[in-house]
Amino acid sequence: AQSVSQHNHHVILSEAASLELGCNYSYGGTVNLFWYVQYPGQHLQLLLKYFSGDPLVKGIKGFEAEFIKSKFSFNLRKPSVQWSDTAEYFCAVNAPTNAGKSTFGDGTTLTVKP
Amino acid sequence: DTEVTQTPKHLVMGMTNKKSLKCEQHMGHRAMYWYKQKAKKPPELMFVYSYEKLSINESVPSRFSPECPNSSLLNLHLHALQPEDSALYLCASSQDRVRTQYFGPGTRLLVL
Repeated sequence: AQSVSQHNHHVILSEAASLELGCNYSYGGTVNLFWYVQYPGQHLQLLLKYFSGDPLVKGIKGFEAEFIKSKFSFNLRKPSVQWSDTAEYFCAVNAPTNAGKSTFGDGTTLTVKP
Repeated sequence: DTEVTQTPKHLVMGMTNKKSLKCEQHMGHRAMYWYKQKAKKPPELMFVYSYEKLSINESVPSRFSPECPNSSLLNLHLHALQPEDSALYLCASSQDRVRTQYFGPGTRLLVL
């Protein structure tokens, strides 16, 4: 069975601080990896994804993530956060050999203080 | 059009009621999903339809009954729900089961 672990449940930062949110997954085969964001009162939307190729992927709004296969990790980063980045962030894994079933991590609540 | 629409936005129902949630997409996606999300929790997969056939049922109680009338529509029929079924019900679609999922805004369900 696949699983996703997000280590930070609640992160509080000041504007312009750097962000790194941890995500580790457990699955023995090939995976597709995603970060989704849920802004207050809005629906889930994709930040970025990794399917194959360059393990450093860039997404919307200045976010990036690095896939490190040996560590089963897909951490999310942003060099300088803004107040508008306040949201819930979910890491998700999808295994093509597991009927395409997607599993989400528990989420990280990011609060950015102006 | 990259939108998944869901109706209704809010629904209050009693435990003996029968109601349906509707989801629609016009992106030509062939996989559609129902998730349940409780407050401050991640979405929990309920059902997956692939090419209009049910491919995953995550051991969901039979009081939830999905239906995929065509490639653009997905319904979730509700009957004899319990108060603990109160949650945000999310619909999503993707090009196929392993691609990026596009989520709708959800239906917020309250069971009294």
